[in-house]
Order: sequence, then structure tokens, then C-alpha cells
Amino acid sequence: DAGVTQSPTHLIKTRGQQVTLRCSPKSGHDTVSWYQQALGQGPQFIFQYYEEEERQRGNFPDRFSGHQFPNYSSELNVNALLLGDSALYLCASSLEGGGEKLFFGSGTQLSVL
Amino acid sequence: KQEVTQIPAALSVPEGENLVLNCSFTDSAIYNLQWFRQDPGKGLTSLLLIQSSQREQTSGRLNASLDKSSGRSTLYIAASQPGDSATYLCAVEGPPGGTSYGKLTFGQGTILTVHP
Repeated sequence: DAGVTQSPTHLIKTRGQQVTLRCSPKSGHDTVSWYQQALGQGPQFIFQYYEEEERQRGNFPDRFSGHQFPNYSSELNVNALLLGDSALYLCASSLEGGGEKLFFGSGTQLSVL
Repeated sequence: KQEVTQIPAALSVPEGENLVLNCSFTDSAIYNLQWFRQDPGKGLTSLLLIQSSQREQTSGRLNASLDKSSGRSTLYIAASQPGDSATYLCAVEGPPGGTSYGKLTFGQGTILTVHP
């Protein structure tokens, strides 16, 4: 049973570029959440997708957008990259609703130069 | 706005010691609290989830307690081993119907080093 998978594992971009990160949830899970983790900090919630809709959003600018596909996989897009966007981006999956354990992927390490 | 604080920021202990990690949160209206482990550069592994109606949860050498009214949780690790070395994070989720339902607010973590 595959867990949460994310791609790519590492990415290097320059300021102003755009990036797309991908996530496949754990088998049987229908909800995907994205988190940003800066070095030495706890993860911060970006947004959550369920039934292909953004259901919850954290305090992130509109440069951060996402999508969920019918097979429940998800993408995170970041436009006009800033140096401060350098971080580990984590995807987590769960069953619909809250109150459930989250299963996290290994993350995508994004470096913006 | 919910804020989560973890103390200490770092902890170094010899193998075999019992230890306690602390987590506090400012808004007691939570739905649950989770403790996670994170190895360097890796994702998070859920260790224990405590519902707001529960007082504690146990898994092997780990025991987590929750005092919702005082906004505190502790993670107790018995007979620590070098393999326990990692960052430990706690996170809270808000109640259904609220703006924090379905999303976790994390503390900054405690970096634990267990040396042989």
C-alpha cells in the first residue's frame, strides 16, 4: 500500500519563475493538504483540497494556488517566486473532514536563488 | 489566533533516560492534538492523536497527555534510544464548523538527541 508520494524531491528555481509540485495521496484518502516548512520552523498550512475544491486556506498570497484531480492527486503552483519561498513543501492526505490522522509525504525541497 | 509553543527547543540526553516534551496552545477550543516525529529533511510521521475528550494516548514507549482546559500537552518517552533522535512536533486542530477545522497549527518543534 503506497503512502503519500511527492515529486520532485528537490527543485532549484530563480526569482520570478513559476513552479509546480505534485502529490499523490495515500490509497483510499480523498483529502489533500499542503504545508510549507521553513528551516527550523514548524509547518504552516497553505490550503486543503477535497472533491476538487479548495476547502480551507491559510495565510498565503494568491501566488500560491492548487488543484485536485478526479483521482484525488493534487498540484501546488507558486508563481513569481521569491527568495522567501525557499522551504520544504509537504503534502498530507486524510479521509474527508477533520479529526483524522494525517499522513505526510517526504516533501519537496524548493530552493529559490 | 491559535499559537502553539514547544519547550524545550532542544534536548540532549543519554541513552536510557526517560524524558518529557512539552507543548502549550493558546486557544483551548481544540478538536484534537497530534504529536509527530520528523527526521532531518524528511516528512512527518504521526505518533499519537488525542481527541479533545481524551486525557491520554499510549503507543509503546510513548505516552501523550492532554489537559485541554490549561492548554497543555506532554509527550513522555520512556527508556530513550539513539533511534529516537529526531524533531518532535505537536499540532492542534480546531473544532468542526470553525475556521481551523481540517488544518493543523504546529509548534516549532523540539530537537531531541539521544547519545549512546
